[in-house]
Amino acid sequence: DGGITQSPKYLFRKEGQNVTLSCEQNLNHDAMYWYRQDPGQGLRLIYYSQIVNDFQKGDIAEGYSVSREKKESFPLTVTSAQKNPTAFYLCASTGRGKETQYFGPGTRLLVL
Amino acid sequence: AQKVTQAQTEISVVEKEDVTLDCVYETRDTTYYLFWYKQPPSGELVFLIRRNSFDEQNEISGRYSWNFQKSTSSFNFTITASQVVDSAVYFCALSGFHTGGFKTIFGAGTRLFVKA
Repeated sequence: DGGITQSPKYLFRKEGQNVTLSCEQNLNHDAMYWYRQDPGQGLRLIYYSQIVNDFQKGDIAEGYSVSREKKESFPLTVTSAQKNPTAFYLCASTGRGKETQYFGPGTRLLVL
Repeated sequence: AQKVTQAQTEISVVEKEDVTLDCVYETRDTTYYLFWYKQPPSGELVFLIRRNSFDEQNEISGRYSWNFQKSTSSFNFTITASQVVDSAVYFCALSGFHTGGFKTIFGAGTRLFVKA
């Protein structure tokens, strides 16, 4: 079945540690997005990528980094510079000329 | 600047009641898209509907209906005869084309509790 997968479902980060969240899609979508959701709040855009080897900062990119080496994959690294990383992270994608975003199941990041 | 406001933080209804979730948006774009998503307790956002700015026709899908009014910049969502399975957080979103592609902004969400 086509869809978006995110792993792991839960991730624990120690102080000063970088962690990477995986996002893979087999929908042949061109654009991919990362959002952060804090409890009781809406989604805020971290990074997005319209094509391979290109990505743009969203509204809250500080402390995060991404890569887009393959069309299917858009991993997000939460660096030690992100001082408040505890949140729910959602990955989404859209097809060419399509405006509707489809979402993965999310990764919940917790700080030890 | 674009903005989406969902003024209702939480709504609680009894099963079989009708409920309307409000959404008001702001944009300077002439072409834009509006969406509703459902987020059940599992966390994944489920797409419900998309409307473009040139199509103000209301839509009904089973127990769900949507009322788009450009004159009031509103895109409200009504659930008829609510069921316990409708309990979730519902997000309204606005998307427009900018440098770098489509960008979508989300409202803060409305948490709906449907009690049996």
